Amino acid sequence: DQQVKQNSPSLSVQEGRISILNCDYTNSMFDYFLWYKKYPAEGPTFLISISSIKDKNEDGRFTVFLNKSAKHLSLHIVPSQPGDSAVYFCAASYGTGANSKLTFGKGITLSVRP
Amino acid sequence: DSGVTQTPKHLITATGQRVTLRCSPRSGDLSVYWYQQSLDQGLQFLIQYYNGEERAKGNILERFSAQQFPDLHSELNLSSLELGDSALYFCASSAINEQFFGPGTRLTVL
Repeated sequence: DQQVKQNSPSLSVQEGRISILNCDYTNSMFDYFLWYKKYPAEGPTFLISISSIKDKNEDGRFTVFLNKSAKHLSLHIVPSQPGDSAVYFCAASYGTGANSKLTFGKGITLSVRP
Repeated sequence: DSGVTQTPKHLITATGQRVTLRCSPRSGDLSVYWYQQSLDQGLQFLIQYYNGEERAKGNILERFSAQQFPDLHSELNLSSLELGDSALYFCASSAINEQFFGPGTRLTVL
C-alpha cells in the first residue's frame, strides 16, 4: 500500500514560469512533510519541509502548501530555472527524532526548458 | 555536500556473491537509515539504526543485514546476490526530522 503518492511521473515547464509538483498521502498519522531534490548520480538533497500545524512554508523560490483535509501537498517553484531540472521526492513522517521514519513517494521528474 | 559519506561509489559483482556497503553519518547524528532505489521506484526504506541499535525495519530482505558500530558508522551487508538486487543504495543520517543523504552506492549484479 503506497502511503505517499506522486501520481504524475514527469512535468515540463518553461523557464521563468511556475512549476507545481503535487503529492497525496493516505496516512492520517503523518505530521511532517518534506520535499527532496535529486540530481542523477547524487543522493537526494533536502529542499523544504512543513509541519502539519502550518498550511504554508516559503523559502526563496520554493513554497510548500499543505491541505490536511484533502491529504494533499504541493511544491511551487517560482520562477523555474533550468537548474531546477531534477527528480523531486515528496516524503512524510510522524514521530520525532529517532522515532520518525520517512515514507517517500516515487518521485516526479521536472524538466525546465530554457 | 551533506556530510554523509558512502563507499564504494560503484560496485559490480556476480550473482551469489556477498558485498558490504559502508556509510559514515554526519558528525553528531546518531540515526542511520538505509534505502534502496531500483529503476522506476522511489526510495524504499530498508532499516534504521540509532546509536548502535536497530530501531526500525522496512522492506529489507532476509539476505540483507546491517549494523552500526560504536563510532556510529554503519554497514549494509548483502548476500546471495540476485540480479534484482541491482540498485542504488543510499544511507542517510538525521538529528531531528530531516534526513541527509549520502551520494549512494550503485550496485550492479551480473
